[in-house]
Amino acid sequence: GENVEQHPSTLSVQEGDSAVIKCTYSDSASNYFPWYKQELGKGPQLIIDIRSNVGEKKDQRIAVTLNKTAKHFSLHITETQPEDSAVYFCAASGSGNTPLVFGKGTRLSVIA
Amino acid sequence: GAVVSQHPSWVICKSGTSVKIECRSLDFQATTMFWYRQFPKQSLMLMATSNEGSKATYEQGVEKDKFLINHASLTLSTLTVTSAHPEDSSFYICSARDPAGMEGTFGSGTRLTVV
Repeated sequence: GENVEQHPSTLSVQEGDSAVIKCTYSDSASNYFPWYKQELGKGPQLIIDIRSNVGEKKDQRIAVTLNKTAKHFSLHITETQPEDSAVYFCAASGSGNTPLVFGKGTRLSVIA
Repeated sequence: GAVVSQHPSWVICKSGTSVKIECRSLDFQATTMFWYRQFPKQSLMLMATSNEGSKATYEQGVEKDKFLINHASLTLSTLTVTSAHPEDSSFYICSARDPAGMEGTFGSGTRLTVV
C-alpha cells in the first residue's frame, strides 16, 4: 500500500520568510496530492492540491510542486504570517474511492 | 464548496457506554465517507471506509464490532463507539469524497473523552 513520508516534523520561520515542507510517496499509481492545514482542536482544512498531470500549482502565497519521477511533492508558503502557524499534512491517493494516506505532519511556527 | 458537518464536536462519556458520532455532507451526495482517528500530536489514521448501502471496510486492527459504522443515506454516515473505554479517547474525524473529484472534505472532528 501507499506510504507517505513528510519532513520536517517541526519548522520555525521568521515572519515574512518562506517555509517549505516536503513529502515523498511510494505508490506510483497515486495521482492526487492534497495539503491540509489543521489548527488545534479542528478538522483538517484543504489548502491546495495537485494532480499527477500537473507539475506545479499556485494560489497566492501557497504553491505545490510535484515530481512524479522522484515521487515527491512539496508545499511552499511565501511571506509567512503568524496565522500560518498550524500543523500541515500532506496526503496521497489513487483514483476512485481509495482513501487518502497522510504524512505524519509538520508543525509550523511563524515567529513575529 | 463542499461542506461536511460533524456532530457532536466534543463528548464526555462514562466507561462502558456507547457514543454515536454523525457525519453529514451538506451540499453534495457522498457515496463514500471515511472515518479517521487522531491521537494527540499524531497524524490521521484511517479506521474505515463507509460506503452507502453496504458494509463498511475496516482497516487492519480496527474492531468492527466496537466501531459500528452505518451509511444509510447519501448524506449521512454514523460511527458508534460501543462499550467505550478510556483508551478510546481520541479525536475522531470524518471526511466525504466529492463525487466530482478526489478532494477529501473533512468534518470539524469530535473530541471523545471516556472517563
